Amino acid sequence: ETGVTQTPRHLVMGMTNKKSLKCEQHLGHNAMYWYKQSAKKPLELMFVYNFKEQTENNSVPSRFSPECPNSSHLFLHLHTLQPEDSALYLCASSQDITHDYGYTFGSGTRLTVV
Amino acid sequence: AQKITQTQPGMFVQEKEAVTLDCTYDTSDPSYGLFWYKQPSSGEMIFLIYQGSYDQQNATEGRYSLNFQKARKSANLVISASQLGDSAMYFCAMRERETSGSRLTFGEGTQLTVNP
Repeated sequence: ETGVTQTPRHLVMGMTNKKSLKCEQHLGHNAMYWYKQSAKKPLELMFVYNFKEQTENNSVPSRFSPECPNSSHLFLHLHTLQPEDSALYLCASSQDITHDYGYTFGSGTRLTVV
Repeated sequence: AQKITQTQPGMFVQEKEAVTLDCTYDTSDPSYGLFWYKQPSSGEMIFLIYQGSYDQQNATEGRYSLNFQKARKSANLVISASQLGDSAMYFCAMRERETSGSRLTFGEGTQLTVNP
């Protein structure tokens, strides 16, 4: 248990479905991140939230919609995805965006779009 | 240009031996942090070790040590006394505090296999 919990662990969805990924941390961190890990590619940052405010959107398509209701929870809402969106989606948290140490990842949600 | 380069797609080591995983980086930012993560087949990214660009000494965490050569821009991970449970994917990552904010930039990873 890393302190960052992601649900579900696995998700299969059709291209017309709407689903949400959830991330929760109880480390007292104030920054939370979504990363995408596709096969044979390095991890790519998608979104950053610091004290509930979005500070970065790395040119992510609008079919991915993040939500951060508080510093402990982060969601990624998915709709009308494409097969190329199939990947491992990792959530991470850190003390805040200025601190390096304690950058902790969850176990990820393995998403398959059919 | 790639910011993090891991030139070893796969490495093999015998149990109880030491292994070095290579990582070179490219940045003009004077302030940066370097990270190593382990990713087993379960998918979780497990933090191993951290080195700040201004740290004078090489970082160590148990069986992990980071061979930081700033002038050569390399940050190799050394795992001593390898164990079967060390078999996993290993990623080097960097955070450039001034130019990239909070994001970590990752290399492509090295798949380590520990043989009994």
